[in-house]
Amino acid sequence: DAGVIQSPRHEVTEMGQEVTLRCKPISGHNSLFWYRQTMMRGLELLIYFNNNVPIDDSGMPEDRFSAKMPNASFSTLKIQPSEPRDSAVYFCASCNQGEQYFGPGTRLTVT
Amino acid sequence: AQTVTQSQPEMSVQEAETVTLSCTYDTSESDYYLFWYKQPPSRQMILVIRQEAYKQQNATENRFSVNFQKAAKSFSLKISDSQLGDAAMYFCAYRSGLDSNYQLIWGAGTKLIIKP
Repeated sequence: DAGVIQSPRHEVTEMGQEVTLRCKPISGHNSLFWYRQTMMRGLELLIYFNNNVPIDDSGMPEDRFSAKMPNASFSTLKIQPSEPRDSAVYFCASCNQGEQYFGPGTRLTVT
Repeated sequence: AQTVTQSQPEMSVQEAETVTLSCTYDTSESDYYLFWYKQPPSRQMILVIRQEAYKQQNATENRFSVNFQKAAKSFSLKISDSQLGDAAMYFCAYRSGLDSNYQLIWGAGTKLIIKP
């Protein structure tokens, strides 16, 4: 199994641009989580899905953030428009029997 | 609400020695799971070890073992024969057994430094 796949691994963009982060969970896992990690705030849960349905998006910081899971094998996290304070590492994790398996993360830098 | 506390922001240990990382949690539930995750400089989060609250026996994975004290709500991680590759951030996490969505409650992490 290839594990959780995230793309891109690094993203550098200018303030105001739209950013789309992608995640492919492990096949057969029915829960998917998006996290953000910064030095200041540590690891924050943004949103999670169960069977492709968003369950809790209370961690999404603002309306500029949106996430979708159109099918069991793909999810996106979109930031529009991006701001410098969105710079962070964004992780996707998938889960089946209670253990979350993380992707390698996307390091986002907004200048 | 459940909380997870890691009181040691940073720990250091000499290579080949043993180190223990602390984690305490607060919950009123009896059915739950506890985890230790490792995040090396490559930043990939890796599951190290898992403990079910109903199990009295402490979990062990090679050089990694836990000391699970349910009454004290303590879940420490012991790393024996420390190696340079063990240098990482270590996160303790809690999951309710009642949560079918498998959401984790995370500690703030402990940075482990290995001295050669």
